[in-house]
This record gives sequence, structure tokens and C-alpha cells, in this order.
Amino acid sequence: DGGITQSPKYLFRKEGQNVTLSCEQNLNHDAMYWYRQDPGQGLRLIYYSQIVNDFQKGDIAEGYSVSREKKESFPLTVTSAQKNPTAFYLCASSSRRAGSSYNEQFFGPGTRLTVL
Amino acid sequence: SQQGEEDPQALSIQEGENATMNCSYKTSINNLQWYRQNSGRGLVHLILIRSNEREKHSGRLRVTLDTSKKSSSLLITASRAADTASYFCATQLNTGGFKTIFGAGTRLFVKA
Repeated sequence: DGGITQSPKYLFRKEGQNVTLSCEQNLNHDAMYWYRQDPGQGLRLIYYSQIVNDFQKGDIAEGYSVSREKKESFPLTVTSAQKNPTAFYLCASSSRRAGSSYNEQFFGPGTRLTVL
Repeated sequence: SQQGEEDPQALSIQEGENATMNCSYKTSINNLQWYRQNSGRGLVHLILIRSNEREKHSGRLRVTLDTSKKSSSLLITASRAADTASYFCATQLNTGGFKTIFGAGTRLFVKA
């Protein structure tokens, strides 16, 4: 099956700990994204990557870090510097069609992070 | 405020009725997309309309785009209980590049 997967589905963290959220895609997409969603809110962009070994900060990058060592993988680390990390985290990917900019995004099922 | 803002924030209708959701945005766009999210799940892409298009259809979905008013609407006809979800508009800016900005969503509840 082609798709985008995230793990774990639920994650609990103690204050002061770093945690890493996994995101893998087998869609051969160039671009990958991380979003944060708070209850009743839209999505806010944390980081994005257009190619391997390159990534850019989104609107709320403070307290987060990413890596893009492989095209298929884009893990997100939530560091202890993130003051309010409890949220629903969504990973997405997209491809670029010839002659156009990146279009629709394909989303994973999400990881719900709770800080205890 | 956000680039894309949906209206209403919440909508409750009876099964069989039509549901209309609106989205307004501020700056020039390359395209506008609508996504659906079931509670606690990821988003699913529904339809994309380009800035030079005015209307698109996909099954029971009809999307319109008015670039002069910087607004879009999503119409779901003959709604079903299974349409209950949150619906988000997302705009891809006309600045070259691929960043997509999501609104806060409309929560639709379809009563059986």
C-alpha cells in the first residue's frame, strides 16, 4: 500500500524530555511537512523539507528540530525548549507536477502528544 | 489573522440537506484546496481549484472561487451522516514555492 505513516499514535512525555515523532512515506514525494494542530484550531506549519538534507522553518519552529537524511523519512523532535508541546502532530507529503507548484498534500494519521 | 478563514465555525444540518461553507483569504493565491478531517484523524484532500478557475465539481462537492472577492465556497449536496467532519480550506500563495496555509475549519454535523 502506498501512503504516509506516523508513529506512535499516542505519546506521553514528562516535562524536560525530548521525544521524536516518526513520519515515513512511500509515495516518492519530494516534499514533506510537519504541522501542529491544537483543539478546535487549524494547522500551523512547524518545518518543511523540499529535498533530502534540506529543510526550512515554518511559522512555529521554536522548540522543534527535524532531519531529512532519506527521501522517505522526516522525523520531528519535540525538545524540552517547547513550552507547550501537548498537541496533535500531523505529517504530510506532496509531489511537484511538471509546470506547476506543489499541489495537494497527503497526510498521515497523526500523533497525539501529551506532556504529563 | 490567518490567510484563510472559514465561515461558519460550526454547522449543524439534517441528513439530505445541503451544506455550504465559505472561505476568505487575504493575498493572491496560486490555488485553493479543501480538505476534510474526521475527529482525531489526518486530513484528506477533497478538491483543488486553481486561481484561473471559477467552479469545480467532484461527486456531491461543488467548489466556487471568486478571486475578486478573495473567497471560495464548498457546497456538499444531499448530505449524509458520514459527512460529519471538519472541513478546512487551504491556500497556496502566488509567490512561487509551495507553502500552503490552512484556515481554522468549519465543523459540520449532519444529523441522521
